[in-house]
Amino acid sequence: DAKTTQPPSMDCAEGRAANLPCNHSTISGNEYVYWYRQIHSQGPQYIIHGLKNNETNEMASLIITEDRKSSTLILPHATLRDTAVYYCIALYYGNKLVFGAGTILRVKS
Amino acid sequence: GAVVSQHPSRVICKSGTSVKIECRSLDFQATTMFWYRQFPKQSLMLMATSNEGSKATYEQGVEKDKFLINHASLTLSTLTVTSAHPEDSSFYICSAREPAGDTQYFGPGTRLTVL
Repeated sequence: DAKTTQPPSMDCAEGRAANLPCNHSTISGNEYVYWYRQIHSQGPQYIIHGLKNNETNEMASLIITEDRKSSTLILPHATLRDTAVYYCIALYYGNKLVFGAGTILRVKS
Repeated sequence: GAVVSQHPSRVICKSGTSVKIECRSLDFQATTMFWYRQFPKQSLMLMATSNEGSKATYEQGVEKDKFLINHASLTLSTLTVTSAHPEDSSFYICSAREPAGDTQYFGPGTRLTVL
């Protein structure tokens, strides 16, 4: 699976959109981009995933660049409860999830 | 999303005893489940892949005789930490892969403290 690179931490004001970037420049054509988050002392929570097209669900939007070398997870209206570690993972279908360091998102009031 | 439970959520045991942790997929059948371990301020580390009806596959450096994994049904996998020692104290998390797609859903985790 391709390596992903994320900033170690980010701050976001409550109520504003949180845009979390992820670089995956070596991703192959059939690797998915998955996003999970982990709130302190809990198991990771699935957020969203995509292959080529942008995706949106009730939690977030995933924007994947046309060349697929990077993506952005967007939380449209961040709340204090969105404070967590966010993980971006590139994954072939059927492979194991391997977690990196992720991005610590701090939502501040 | 799919729901995965773990039991117990927290356990404290004496050194030398064995501890069993259960992982259940509540609303789907999972042929594949995974076990992770997380130490404070570190990321999750994959320990093993558990396939229903077959032996688990362990990651490099994980002692299979110490961490016994059983996946006897499509909704239940268990992890037994045998002869636990203080260095086994950690946060153990399981996940289950949904059969229709490839998304893994995680349990809430089990905090193990070995005295």
